[in-house]
Amino acid sequence: AQSVTQPDIHITVSEGASLELRCNYSYGATPYLFWYVQSPGQGLQLLLKYFSGDTLVQGIKGFEAEFKRSQSSFNLRKPSVHWSDAAEYFCAVSGFQKLVFGTGTRLLVSP
Amino acid sequence: GAVVSQHPSRVICKSGTSVKIECRSLDFQATTMFWYRQFPKQSLMLMATSNEGSKATYEQGVEKDKFLINHASLTLSTLTVTSAHPEDSSFYICSARAPFMNTEAFFGQGTRLTVV
Repeated sequence: AQSVTQPDIHITVSEGASLELRCNYSYGATPYLFWYVQSPGQGLQLLLKYFSGDTLVQGIKGFEAEFKRSQSSFNLRKPSVHWSDAAEYFCAVSGFQKLVFGTGTRLLVSP
Repeated sequence: GAVVSQHPSRVICKSGTSVKIECRSLDFQATTMFWYRQFPKQSLMLMATSNEGSKATYEQGVEKDKFLINHASLTLSTLTVTSAHPEDSSFYICSARAPFMNTEAFFGQGTRLTVV
């Protein structure tokens, strides 16, 4: 069965600084990987996804993620964080049917 | 992108009553829909997977008789919380997937259920 680990419960970053959110997955086959963002009381918005091909994936809002098979990781990055990026971020892995989420990382942005 | 509409966004009900939540795929046919539950400041826990025209597959620990899922058409799935109790208060989110969408799932905006 697939699983996802997000080791950081929350992270605080200064506005304008770079960001990296960690994600490790476990899946027996080639995974489909996703990053979603959730604002309080809202649904999920897809930031980016990896299915195959180039291991560096570009998403919306200036986010990117790199798939590293050898490390079973799919870390999310952004070179310069904006105050509006403060939210909950979820990494997810999909097999044939299920989409399984990590526990999430809450991003706080300080002035 | 594909749009999934979830209704209502908020609902308050009395303990012992039933509540129905609808999830609609607006511009694609969703052969598979998923229902998640999210407790405050926690992740999304998959409750069940439903395929159009067949019975839903529930995750371990989810009460089938309490959380009734119907996926009668390719654009609509419903979750009915029967005999709701305060501990059922939560944020419920649906998502939908179509076979040509390469396993990507699209999410509704969620329903905040409060049982008083």
